[in-house]
Amino acid sequence: EVQLVESGGGLVQPGGSLRLSCSASGFTFSSYAMHWVRQAPGKGLEYVSAISSNGGSTYYADSVKGRFTISRDNSKNTLYLQMSSLRAEDTAVYYCVKAAYFQHWGQGTLVTVSS
Amino acid sequence: EIVMTQSPATLSVSPGERATLSCRASQSVSSNLAWYQQKPGQAPRLLIYGASTRATGIPARFSGSGSGTEFTLTISSLQSEDFAVYYCQQYNNWPFDFGPGTKVDIK
Repeated sequence: EVQLVESGGGLVQPGGSLRLSCSASGFTFSSYAMHWVRQAPGKGLEYVSAISSNGGSTYYADSVKGRFTISRDNSKNTLYLQMSSLRAEDTAVYYCVKAAYFQHWGQGTLVTVSS
Repeated sequence: EIVMTQSPATLSVSPGERATLSCRASQSVSSNLAWYQQKPGQAPRLLIYGASTRATGIPARFSGSGSGTEFTLTISSLQSEDFAVYYCQQYNNWPFDFGPGTKVDIK
Protein backbone atom coordinates (compact mmCIF):
# COMPACT_ATOMS: atom_id res chain seq x y z
CA GLU A 1 0.00 0.00 0.00
CA VAL A 2 1.34 3.39 -1.01
CA GLN A 3 1.79 5.75 1.92
CA LEU A 4 2.97 9.35 1.91
CA VAL A 5 3.42 10.94 5.31
CA GLU A 6 4.24 14.63 5.48
CA SER A 7 5.77 16.27 8.54
CA GLY A 8 7.61 19.39 9.61
CA GLY A 9 4.86 21.97 9.41
CA GLY A 10 4.10 24.44 12.13
CA LEU A 11 3.87 28.09 13.07
CA VAL A 12 6.71 30.28 11.86
CA GLN A 13 7.25 34.02 11.76
CA PRO A 14 7.47 35.91 8.48
CA GLY A 15 10.99 35.65 7.15
CA GLY A 16 11.58 32.37 8.92
CA SER A 17 12.40 28.91 7.63
CA LEU A 18 10.99 25.41 7.80
CA ARG A 19 11.90 22.06 6.31
CA LEU A 20 9.10 19.75 5.31
CA SER A 21 9.65 16.02 4.96
CA CYS A 22 7.63 13.35 3.21
CA SER A 23 8.26 9.74 4.10
CA ALA A 24 7.23 7.38 1.32
CA SER A 25 6.51 3.66 1.41
CA GLY A 26 4.75 0.99 -0.57
CA PHE A 27 6.42 1.74 -3.89
CA THR A 28 9.87 2.07 -5.42
CA PHE A 29 10.53 5.66 -4.41
CA SER A 30 13.63 6.05 -6.56
CA SER A 31 11.63 5.33 -9.73
CA TYR A 32 9.20 8.20 -9.48
CA ALA A 33 9.22 11.94 -9.82
CA MET A 34 7.80 13.59 -6.73
CA HIS A 35 5.91 16.81 -6.23
CA TRP A 36 4.73 19.27 -3.60
CA VAL A 37 1.23 20.73 -3.87
CA ARG A 38 -0.22 23.24 -1.43
CA GLN A 39 -3.62 24.59 -0.55
CA ALA A 40 -4.10 27.87 1.26
CA PRO A 41 -7.14 28.12 3.54
CA GLY A 42 -10.30 28.34 1.44
CA LYS A 43 -8.34 28.35 -1.81
CA GLY A 44 -7.63 25.94 -4.64
CA LEU A 45 -4.76 23.56 -5.24
CA GLU A 46 -1.42 25.12 -6.15
CA TYR A 47 1.38 23.11 -7.72
CA VAL A 48 4.55 24.19 -5.94
CA SER A 49 7.57 22.12 -6.88
CA ALA A 50 8.74 18.92 -8.53
CA ILE A 51 11.85 16.78 -8.64
CA SER A 52 12.77 14.01 -11.03
CA SER A 53 13.37 10.46 -9.87
CA ASN A 54 17.15 10.89 -9.62
CA GLY A 55 17.00 14.48 -8.40
CA GLY A 56 18.61 15.83 -11.55
CA SER A 57 15.68 18.03 -12.59
CA THR A 58 13.62 20.35 -10.49
CA TYR A 59 10.77 22.82 -10.99
CA TYR A 60 9.51 25.68 -8.87
CA ALA A 61 6.41 27.80 -9.18
CA ASP A 62 7.19 31.48 -9.62
CA SER A 63 5.59 32.15 -6.24
CA VAL A 64 8.32 30.17 -4.44
CA LYS A 65 11.29 30.36 -6.79
CA GLY A 66 14.46 31.42 -5.02
CA ARG A 67 12.96 30.74 -1.59
CA PHE A 68 12.11 27.02 -1.63
CA THR A 69 14.38 24.08 -2.42
CA ILE A 70 13.12 20.61 -3.19
CA SER A 71 15.36 17.60 -2.65
CA ARG A 72 15.16 13.88 -2.08
CA ASP A 73 17.10 11.09 -0.45
CA ASN A 74 16.37 7.91 -2.33
CA SER A 75 18.25 5.85 0.25
CA LYS A 76 15.78 7.04 2.90
CA ASN A 77 12.66 7.13 0.68
CA THR A 78 12.17 10.73 1.73
CA LEU A 79 11.26 13.93 -0.07
CA TYR A 80 12.07 17.35 1.35
CA LEU A 81 11.01 20.94 0.88
CA GLN A 82 13.29 23.54 2.43
CA MET A 83 11.35 26.76 2.78
CA SER A 84 12.98 30.06 3.62
CA SER A 85 12.01 33.74 3.63
CA LEU A 86 8.50 32.60 4.41
CA ARG A 87 5.61 34.96 3.80
CA ALA A 88 2.04 35.07 5.06
CA GLU A 89 0.89 33.89 1.64
CA ASP A 90 2.84 30.65 2.09
CA THR A 91 0.34 29.64 4.77
CA ALA A 92 -1.20 26.42 3.50
CA VAL A 93 -1.50 22.69 3.86
CA TYR A 94 1.40 21.13 1.97
CA TYR A 95 0.99 17.74 0.34
CA CYS A 96 3.59 15.51 -1.27
CA VAL A 97 2.42 13.44 -4.21
CA LYS A 98 4.01 11.01 -6.60
CA ALA A 99 4.23 10.42 -10.32
CA ALA A 100 2.02 12.12 -12.87
CA TYR A 101 -1.62 11.96 -11.88
CA PHE A 102 -1.87 11.97 -8.10
CA GLN A 103 -3.62 8.84 -6.95
CA HIS A 104 -2.18 8.90 -3.44
CA TRP A 105 -2.29 11.83 -1.06
CA GLY A 106 -1.05 12.09 2.49
CA GLN A 107 -2.79 13.99 5.23
CA GLY A 108 -0.70 17.04 4.48
CA THR A 109 1.20 19.24 6.89
CA LEU A 110 0.00 22.71 7.86
CA VAL A 111 2.39 25.62 7.58
CA THR A 112 1.26 28.84 9.21
CA VAL A 113 3.31 31.98 8.66
CA SER A 114 2.29 34.61 11.14
CA SER A 115 3.75 36.95 13.72
CA GLU B 1 3.39 26.92 -18.95
CA ILE B 2 -0.03 25.45 -19.66
CA VAL B 3 -2.90 27.39 -18.15
CA MET B 4 -5.90 25.38 -17.01
CA THR B 5 -9.35 26.92 -16.82
CA GLN B 6 -12.60 25.44 -15.54
CA SER B 7 -16.21 26.37 -15.99
CA PRO B 8 -18.51 27.12 -14.41
CA ALA B 9 -17.00 28.28 -11.15
CA THR B 10 -20.10 27.09 -9.32
CA LEU B 11 -22.72 24.62 -10.48
CA SER B 12 -25.99 24.29 -8.60
CA VAL B 13 -27.62 20.92 -9.19
CA SER B 14 -30.47 18.98 -7.62
CA PRO B 15 -29.82 15.45 -6.37
CA GLY B 16 -30.44 12.94 -9.14
CA GLU B 17 -29.67 15.44 -11.88
CA ARG B 18 -26.77 15.32 -14.30
CA ALA B 19 -23.78 17.61 -13.85
CA THR B 20 -21.38 18.57 -16.61
CA LEU B 21 -18.10 20.25 -15.73
CA SER B 22 -15.68 21.69 -18.27
CA CYS B 23 -11.92 22.06 -18.28
CA ARG B 24 -9.79 23.74 -20.90
CA ALA B 25 -6.02 23.75 -21.41
CA SER B 26 -4.21 26.64 -23.08
CA GLN B 27 -2.37 24.15 -25.29
CA SER B 28 -2.73 20.47 -26.05
CA VAL B 29 -2.13 18.07 -23.18
CA SER B 30 -3.12 15.03 -25.26
CA SER B 31 -5.08 12.77 -22.89
CA ASN B 32 -2.88 13.57 -19.89
CA LEU B 33 -5.69 15.04 -17.86
CA ALA B 34 -6.93 14.09 -14.41
CA TRP B 35 -9.97 15.04 -12.36
CA TYR B 36 -10.09 15.24 -8.57
CA GLN B 37 -12.85 15.64 -6.04
CA GLN B 38 -12.26 17.46 -2.79
CA LYS B 39 -14.53 17.77 0.21
CA PRO B 40 -13.96 20.20 3.10
CA GLY B 41 -11.17 19.14 5.41
CA GLN B 42 -10.09 16.27 3.17
CA ALA B 43 -7.26 15.71 0.72
CA PRO B 44 -8.24 15.56 -2.94
CA ARG B 45 -9.36 12.22 -4.32
CA LEU B 46 -8.42 11.09 -7.82
CA LEU B 47 -11.51 10.38 -9.92
CA ILE B 48 -10.32 10.18 -13.51
CA TYR B 49 -6.95 9.92 -15.23
CA GLY B 50 -6.02 9.63 -18.87
CA ALA B 51 -8.99 11.94 -19.49
CA SER B 52 -11.48 9.06 -19.32
CA THR B 53 -10.23 6.22 -17.10
CA ARG B 54 -11.91 5.95 -13.72
CA ALA B 55 -9.56 5.48 -10.78
CA THR B 56 -9.92 2.47 -8.52
CA GLY B 57 -13.18 2.46 -6.60
CA ILE B 58 -14.77 5.38 -8.42
CA PRO B 59 -18.47 4.83 -9.21
CA ALA B 60 -19.56 4.49 -12.82
CA ARG B 61 -21.70 7.63 -12.57
CA PHE B 62 -18.45 9.59 -12.99
CA SER B 63 -17.17 9.77 -16.55
CA GLY B 64 -14.57 11.82 -18.33
CA SER B 65 -14.12 12.71 -21.96
CA GLY B 66 -12.06 14.89 -24.26
CA SER B 67 -8.54 15.22 -25.52
CA GLY B 68 -6.19 17.95 -26.60
CA THR B 69 -7.50 21.11 -24.99
CA GLU B 70 -11.15 20.45 -24.15
CA PHE B 71 -12.30 18.07 -21.43
CA THR B 72 -15.52 17.23 -19.63
CA LEU B 73 -16.36 15.52 -16.37
CA THR B 74 -19.91 14.23 -16.20
CA ILE B 75 -21.70 13.02 -13.10
CA SER B 76 -24.72 11.20 -14.44
CA SER B 77 -26.97 11.33 -11.39
CA LEU B 78 -25.75 13.39 -8.48
CA GLN B 79 -25.74 11.76 -5.09
CA SER B 80 -25.56 13.65 -1.81
CA GLU B 81 -21.91 12.66 -1.37
CA ASP B 82 -20.97 14.21 -4.73
CA PHE B 83 -21.42 17.80 -3.61
CA ALA B 84 -17.83 18.98 -3.49
CA VAL B 85 -15.18 20.92 -5.40
CA TYR B 86 -13.77 19.37 -8.57
CA TYR B 87 -10.37 20.16 -10.03
CA CYS B 88 -8.82 19.22 -13.34
CA GLN B 89 -5.06 18.85 -13.71
CA GLN B 90 -2.79 18.36 -16.70
CA TYR B 91 0.19 16.09 -16.38
CA ASN B 92 1.55 16.34 -19.91
CA ASN B 93 4.34 18.76 -19.04
CA TRP B 94 5.80 20.22 -15.85
CA PRO B 95 4.33 22.12 -14.08
CA PHE B 96 1.37 19.82 -13.59
CA ASP B 97 -0.94 22.73 -12.90
CA PHE B 98 -4.50 22.49 -11.65
CA GLY B 99 -7.53 24.39 -12.79
CA PRO B 100 -9.20 26.77 -10.32
CA GLY B 101 -11.97 24.31 -9.51
CA THR B 102 -15.72 23.97 -9.93
CA LYS B 103 -17.86 23.88 -6.82
CA VAL B 104 -20.90 21.65 -7.17
CA ASP B 105 -23.52 22.60 -4.64
CA ILE B 106 -27.10 21.70 -3.88
CA LYS B 107 -29.78 23.57 -5.81
